[in-house]
Order: sequence, then C-alpha cells, then structure tokens
Amino acid sequence: GAVVSQHPSWVICKSGTSVKIECRSLDFQATTMFWYRQFPKQSLMLMATSNEGSKATYEQGVEKDKFLINHASLTLSTLTVTSAHPEDSSFYICSARVSGGTYNEQFFGPGTRLTVL
Amino acid sequence: DQQVKQNSPSLSVQEGRISILNCDYTNSMFDYFLWYKKYPAEGPTFLISISSIKDKNEDGRFTVFLNKSAKHLSLHIVPSQPGDSAVYFCAASRWGGAQKLVFGQGTRLTINP
Repeated sequence: GAVVSQHPSWVICKSGTSVKIECRSLDFQATTMFWYRQFPKQSLMLMATSNEGSKATYEQGVEKDKFLINHASLTLSTLTVTSAHPEDSSFYICSARVSGGTYNEQFFGPGTRLTVL
Repeated sequence: DQQVKQNSPSLSVQEGRISILNCDYTNSMFDYFLWYKKYPAEGPTFLISISSIKDKNEDGRFTVFLNKSAKHLSLHIVPSQPGDSAVYFCAASRWGGAQKLVFGQGTRLTINP
C-alpha cells in the first residue's frame, strides 16, 4: 500500500516550452501533496505544499507563476514548469501524506528527471 | 540556513558491521524526525521515525536515537548488508502548520563485502 506514481519519469524539452508532471497516489487518498526538487548531490528542497481544492503554498524563493501546481482531486497533483529554461533542469519529486494517516509520514514518488535544452 | 545537517557526505562500512549515520538540527521547534533511504533516480523510501518524546526507536535492524539536548539524532544499522548501500536522508518537522519536512544533505552509505 501507499504507492505514489509520477509521470513522466523523464522528459527532455526545449527552452521556452512548458512541461507538466503528474503525481498520483494509487491506493490512498492524499489531502496534501508536496513537491520537491533535488540538484545533483544535494538535498531535497521543498518547493510547495499542495492541498486538494485550494491554492498551493510556495516556499520562499519559488516562483509561483513559473511552477504552477494544481491539486484537483484527492489522488492527483500536477506541477507545470512554464517557459522552462536550462537552469530548471533538475530531479522533481512529489510526495503524498495519507489523509488522517501517521503524523508526517510522507510517501514519495519515483521522481521525474527534467532536462531543458 | 541549513536547519538539518548531515556532516558526513559518505560512509563506508564492512558487511556485517554496524553503520552509524548522524544528523544534527538547529531548530528546537522540531519534534518529529524521520530517516529515508534513497537509490539513484528513485524517490526516498521511509525507513524509521522518532517523536521528540522518545529517545530511541527500533525496527528490526534499524534503530534511531534522539538526543534532544544535543539536537542530534543517529541511525544505527546492524548488521549492515550490501542492499543497505544507498543515500540516507534525515528529515525533521514540527507539529502544526503544513507539517513540512526539512531534509539534511544526505549521507551515501557503501557496504563493502
């Protein structure tokens, strides 16, 4: 149980295009989902907290107009990187917290490798 | 400001011996701590956690120790196995709000046969 999937697992795009990444909780409902990015050999940095049916809460320094987050249902959150540039190339990981589940236990997706040319 | 620190980027241990991974934090408001294991190109996998009301939590080969006065926690793996080779992240959070996790930089553990 508690499986989180991400799609796509990797994507290569041209500079200036937009890319959408999906995060799904497959066997549980997630009121809250989180989006992280990880640069090589660095820690996971929280980008935003996504709550079902409401606006996402972004961390300081994260551009909300560039990283659009939508959490339309209890099992799906999407991250859209708009007008992507090479510096946006990174490993993006989502996580989901089980609704009413164990305090702070988050289940992570496998990640999406984004490369912007 | 790095609130959670893992000062050892890498650790090499012989199979069968004990692996000890360390983590320090600066925010005294943190009251829940977690360890995650991560393989390359995969998301982190939850290993074990501990609440600030405890100083030890054990689950099979994994034990986490918490020293609140020193703001220090450690993960012990015994006996270490080749499949334990991965990057280990400690994370901290505090009750209330969004219950966000703050991660350390990670320690790459290599178990040698």
